[in-house]
Amino acid sequence: KQEVTQIPAALSVPEGENLVLNCSFTDSAIYNLQWFRQDPGKGLTSLLLIQSSQREQTSGRLNASLDKSSGRSTLYIAASQPGDSATYLCAVPNTDKLIFGTGTRLQVFP
Amino acid sequence: KAGVTQTPRYLIKTRGQQVTLSCSPISGHRSVSWYQQTPGQGLQFLFEYFSETQRNKGNFPGRFSGRQFSNSRSEMNVSTLELGDSALYLCASSLENRGHDEQYFGPGTRLTVT
Repeated sequence: KQEVTQIPAALSVPEGENLVLNCSFTDSAIYNLQWFRQDPGKGLTSLLLIQSSQREQTSGRLNASLDKSSGRSTLYIAASQPGDSATYLCAVPNTDKLIFGTGTRLQVFP
Repeated sequence: KAGVTQTPRYLIKTRGQQVTLSCSPISGHRSVSWYQQTPGQGLQFLFEYFSETQRNKGNFPGRFSGRQFSNSRSEMNVSTLELGDSALYLCASSLENRGHDEQYFGPGTRLTVT
């Protein structure tokens, strides 16, 4: 049974820091891994999708890596800003559904 | 291209009532999935529809049901509401799903049961 874990559960940093959020999954037979952002009370915004054949995916200040063999993905946020404050979720597909991690709640203060 | 839309955005209902939520996927997407999000349980899968057929169902009681129309729009229904049904209900759309496609989520419907 696929299980997805995210650490840390919460993170509070000053503006400008580079951050690494971690995502671990127990079953390495995945097609892809998706990172999402969720603002309080809102829906999920897709940030990056990494296919199983890829090692990295970049979008602006975000870079996600995937190591299937070790069951890990990291989301790197460069030069963090207060607007990055949100909960970040990773998810892996299991047939027709996504299995989500519990999320990392990020606060970036000025 | 318009994103996933969900209506209504907020609902307040009383225990025992029923409710219907609507989701319109991105144009061209044929798969619609529904999730329930609560502080205690996180995001839990409800069901997934493709071409008007339910392909997968999560571990929820029969009070939770859904359907998909020929234009890919989907509705979910919860009957005999309980306090524990208070949650953010999210729908997601993708081209065909089956674990290959990027999922796009709507803004959610916040349901409060009193």
